[in-house]
Amino acid sequence: SYELTQPPSVSVSPGQTARITCSGHALPKQYASWYQQKPGQAPILVIYKDTERPSGIPGRFSGATSGTTATLTISGVQAEDEADYHCQSADTKSPDSTNTYVIFGGGTKLTVL
Amino acid sequence: EVQLVQSGAEVKKPGESLRISCKTSGYSFTNNWIGWVRQTPGKGLEWMGIVYPGDSDTRYSPSFLGQVSISADKSTSTAYLQWRSLKASDSAMYYCARHFTGTTFVYFDYWGQGTLVTVSS
Repeated sequence: SYELTQPPSVSVSPGQTARITCSGHALPKQYASWYQQKPGQAPILVIYKDTERPSGIPGRFSGATSGTTATLTISGVQAEDEADYHCQSADTKSPDSTNTYVIFGGGTKLTVL
Repeated sequence: EVQLVQSGAEVKKPGESLRISCKTSGYSFTNNWIGWVRQTPGKGLEWMGIVYPGDSDTRYSPSFLGQVSISADKSTSTAYLQWRSLKASDSAMYYCARHFTGTTFVYFDYWGQGTLVTVSS
């Protein structure tokens, strides 16, 4: 079955740049999205369609995909960015997308030192 | 303002049935897919399935097909997730979320606050 692979944890100091990767063989064909989830809260969409940022999400959050790896970058990390980050994409089984399945990565815990 | 408000936490016994809800507002419920996502400490986020309230078209993850039922009530703009016979392994947090999809993309832009389901004898 199709999987998205994320590192379990990433640690950075405040003000540094955090990069969280997500690997999957279908990423060249299907866009990636990223969600931030703080303890006890629902996930929040921070990046969609590889690079797009929803309104209200700070500009320090950006996304990119190269080949089979999507990357979420947080520039100038702040203490409030400490959270779990989940990547998500799709696995299309048929050309007309009638059997498109949503896939999540295992999540990465970002620790701000 | 788009809002998805889920029903409260549930404690059930194995074998019991359950339906949890997700009441939406602030957007066209009929014309947008809405889905359910399970979260457990050991397995992260798992997509369960989606429903298109306009025509009740429903799609399930192979992992959840036959295990749950997803439905929608257009008259109340509410989506439902239902179990006929709960198992202890169904204990988890369940989220509803508005589901945007196209040929090459899918994402969830608004989420409910979550419903904690505990199944224990």
